[in-house]
Amino acid sequence: IAGITQAPTSQILAAGRRMTLRCTQDMRHNAMYWYRQDLGLGLRLIHYSNTAGTTGKGEVPDGYSVSRANTDDFPLTLASAVPSQTSVYFCASSDSGEGYNEQFFGPGTRLTVL
Amino acid sequence: GQNIDQPTEMTATEGAIVQINCTYQTSGFNGLFWYQQHAGEAPTFLSYNVLDGLEEKGRFSSFLSRSKGYSYLLLKELQMKDSASYLCAVLSNDYKLSFGAGTTVTVRA
Repeated sequence: IAGITQAPTSQILAAGRRMTLRCTQDMRHNAMYWYRQDLGLGLRLIHYSNTAGTTGKGEVPDGYSVSRANTDDFPLTLASAVPSQTSVYFCASSDSGEGYNEQFFGPGTRLTVL
Repeated sequence: GQNIDQPTEMTATEGAIVQINCTYQTSGFNGLFWYQQHAGEAPTFLSYNVLDGLEEKGRFSSFLSRSKGYSYLLLKELQMKDSASYLCAVLSNDYKLSFGAGTTVTVRA
C-alpha cells in the first residue's frame, strides 16, 4: 500500500519556468490538499479539493493552480515560478473534506526556484 | 483569521517528560490536532481533541481547554526517537486545518 506519493522528490527550477508537482493517492480519499512548509511559518494551505471535479483556494493560492480530474490525482502547477515559491510542498488527503478527518501526508517535494 | 502559537524549541533528557503548549485564536473551532514530523519527513497524526479534557494514548497525551483556547501535548518517558517537530493544528468551521509553526523537541541522552 503506497498511500500518497509525490513526484519529483526535489527540483531546482529557473525563475519563469512552468512546473507541475504530482500527487497520487490510492486510499480512495475524497479530499486532497496542497500545503507549503517554510521555516518559521509552518504548513500553509495552498489549494484543496473536497471531491473529484471541485477545487477551492486556501490561505496562499496566488501563483498556483490545481485540477482534480479523478479521485486519485491532484497536480499542483506553478505557471511561472518565482524565487518566493522556494519551499517544501506537501500533498495530503482525507476521507472527507467535512467533519473530523485525519489528513495523511505525502513525503513532500523540495522545490528551489533560482 | 487564525493565530496559533507554540514554542519554537524545547530540549529534554531521555526518560523525562516534556509538555508542549499551544494557544489559539481562531474564527471557528472544530477540533485540534497534533502531528509529529521528523526532519525531512511527512507529518504524521498523533492526536485529535474536540472536547475539553485529556486524551491519553500510550506515552503521548493531549489536553484541550476550549474556553481558554489552549492545548498541550505531553510526551512521557522520552526516547531519542521522539526528537522531532510537533505541529499544533486547529480545524476551523470550514473544516480546513491551520497549523502553528511547530515546536522542535530535542531529546538528549
